[in-house]
Amino acid sequence: DGGITQSPKYLFRKEGQNVTLSCEQNLNHDAMYWYRQDPGQGLRLIYYSQIVNDFQKGDIAEGYSVSREKKESFPLTVTSAQKNPTAFYLCASETGTGLNEQYFGPGTRLTVT
Amino acid sequence: ILNVEQSPQSLHVQEGDSTNFTCSFPSSNFYALHWYRWETAKSPEALFVMTLNGDEKKKGRISATLNTKEGYSYLYIKGSQPEDSATYLCAFMDQAGTALIFGKGTTLSVSS
Repeated sequence: DGGITQSPKYLFRKEGQNVTLSCEQNLNHDAMYWYRQDPGQGLRLIYYSQIVNDFQKGDIAEGYSVSREKKESFPLTVTSAQKNPTAFYLCASETGTGLNEQYFGPGTRLTVT
Repeated sequence: ILNVEQSPQSLHVQEGDSTNFTCSFPSSNFYALHWYRWETAKSPEALFVMTLNGDEKKKGRISATLNTKEGYSYLYIKGSQPEDSATYLCAFMDQAGTALIFGKGTTLSVSS
């Protein structure tokens, strides 16, 4: 089945540790996105990539890093510099035109204590 | 900073009621407007992608209209069913951007 997967579903980390969230898609989409959702907030864009080996900062990129070495994969690292990392993280992909729907993964809920 | 507003924030209706929500977005440099439905414990799923002023799209009991000149879109649900309970998100893209800007969503609860 074609789709987008994220792992793990739940992730717990101690403060000060970096953590990497996985996002994989087999839809042959060029563009991939990382969003963060907090209670009472809409989806806020962290990073996006429209092509392999290229990515752009979104509205809330501070404390996060990404890589796009393969078309299928767009991992997100939450670094210790992120002041409030506990949140729900969603990955999405799209053909790259902006005129087509985004496909979302199931999300990862990260808790940092 | 571009802003997308959705109203109401939440609403509760009875099964069979029809309802509608509003999405407001910047009226300049419009490129596309997306609607997504996000059910609890599931991933957001696209309902509509709209690009033309005056466009109206329909999927079953759900329809949407678009006014790019005044910067709003309406989502209508006819004869709401409990399975329509979800958060409905709209997202805007302008001609300069390459990413969507999401509103905070409208959470619909339908009682049987």
